[in-house]
Amino acid sequence: GQQLNQSPQSMFIQEGEDVSMNCTSSSIFNTWLWYKQDPGEGPVLLIALYKAGELTSNGRLTAQFGITRKDSFLNISASIPSDVGIYFCAGQLLYGSNYQLIWGAGTKLIIKP
Amino acid sequence: DAGITQSPRHKVTETGTPVTLRCHQTENHRYMYWYRQDPGHGLRLIHYSYGVKDTDKGEVSDGYSVSRSKTEDFLLTLESATSSQTSVYFCAISPRGQVAPNTEAFFGQGTRLTVV
Repeated sequence: GQQLNQSPQSMFIQEGEDVSMNCTSSSIFNTWLWYKQDPGEGPVLLIALYKAGELTSNGRLTAQFGITRKDSFLNISASIPSDVGIYFCAGQLLYGSNYQLIWGAGTKLIIKP
Repeated sequence: DAGITQSPRHKVTETGTPVTLRCHQTENHRYMYWYRQDPGHGLRLIHYSYGVKDTDKGEVSDGYSVSRSKTEDFLLTLESATSSQTSVYFCAISPRGQVAPNTEAFFGQGTRLTVV
């Protein structure tokens, strides 16, 4: 099936640090979505990107749709304890005659006490 | 929050028994999905529905069946549960679905299923 590589798998950071994670693929996507999942909850949409090169912010979060349409990154500035969780990227592509959402395996963000 | 309720939230069952998970929505969205989430795999699509009685297979549909007799309910059935089906199951809904671009999906809180 389609592959979407998300890295890093996990991150240990200090409160106040900036965070960066990314997703790459050999496939071309027409939409990138970034979700956050808190323990015991379902994923919640953070940012949606619809055009190559698009840079979008949501508070301290910034995400970009890569120019090649094969990658995307998410940055979190000045991390705070509530940023802890698992972050997922999802890319939408046309597969045959239907669109599909392909998910990354997630980046687990842990803040060191 | 989108009005999505999954039941049960937790279930332990024995190998070989049938299990049905329910997803109920109050948003009147056309599209509904069942995903499973396992460590290292992210979210994988099991089945989805694009309307009442209209369903299709996803990436990991073997061993699962679904039914949608009403807009608001989407049922996932494991006919004969196996240990490999131990997972967290998420229901999602969206107004336009994966068959249209610029789709945003909203998720339920998940059902943790353990097959012993």
